[in-house]
Amino acid sequence: AQKITQTQPGMFVQEKEAVTLDCTYDTSDQSYGLFWYKQPSSGEMIFLIYQGSYDEQNATEGRYSLNFQKARKSANLVISASQLGDSAMYFCAMREALSGSARQLTFGSGTQLTVLP
Amino acid sequence: GAVVSQHPSRVICKSGTSVKIECRSLDFQATTMFWYRQFPKKSLMLMATSNEGSKATYEQGVEKDKFLINHASLTLSTLTVTSAHPEDSSFYICSARDQAGVNEKLFFGSGTQLSVL
Repeated sequence: AQKITQTQPGMFVQEKEAVTLDCTYDTSDQSYGLFWYKQPSSGEMIFLIYQGSYDEQNATEGRYSLNFQKARKSANLVISASQLGDSAMYFCAMREALSGSARQLTFGSGTQLTVLP
Repeated sequence: GAVVSQHPSRVICKSGTSVKIECRSLDFQATTMFWYRQFPKKSLMLMATSNEGSKATYEQGVEKDKFLINHASLTLSTLTVTSAHPEDSSFYICSARDQAGVNEKLFFGSGTQLSVL
């Protein structure tokens, strides 16, 4: 089963509007972390926002906020006031509980966001 | 923030040659680095976990003899694609964890586009 599911391969949004990118996850662990990364066409991966499973508040970083619904196992990314520079591929990722020293991320399939002028 | 430098950004080589990709953490020590492979418009697939001073841990299906990983210091990991073939053409990206960071987020290199002729 997919651990991280991003059901929107592509999304369009008008400049200055808000957009929500969906992410659901599957884990039996109680302790885990959820991440969102942005990958522009240049290929680099840019960290956007982090949510810990025990965090009571939804994470926010500037125009980015994470709508964390633990019972539904969803961690949707909300981008407010979209800008043309937000056009990129967006990946949701999860880090599960401690297992040795290497706690790598599992990535979703990504959502290609296009911001329209 | 922490920076991970990856070189080269692009390499074109003939079939049968070997290619070395470097990944450096510039302002933090990384005992663990990760190597990912990404096909066009696809997600990142973890290839191996590189541990400083010890052997790398490879994911299932990744050939150890094809993709040699060396993590000789706390700031440098290298991936060598040996006897490259056209099917090895892909985007390779490394990441390192800033273990001093609060949420241990991963920082990514800018990636290497490998094209094997």
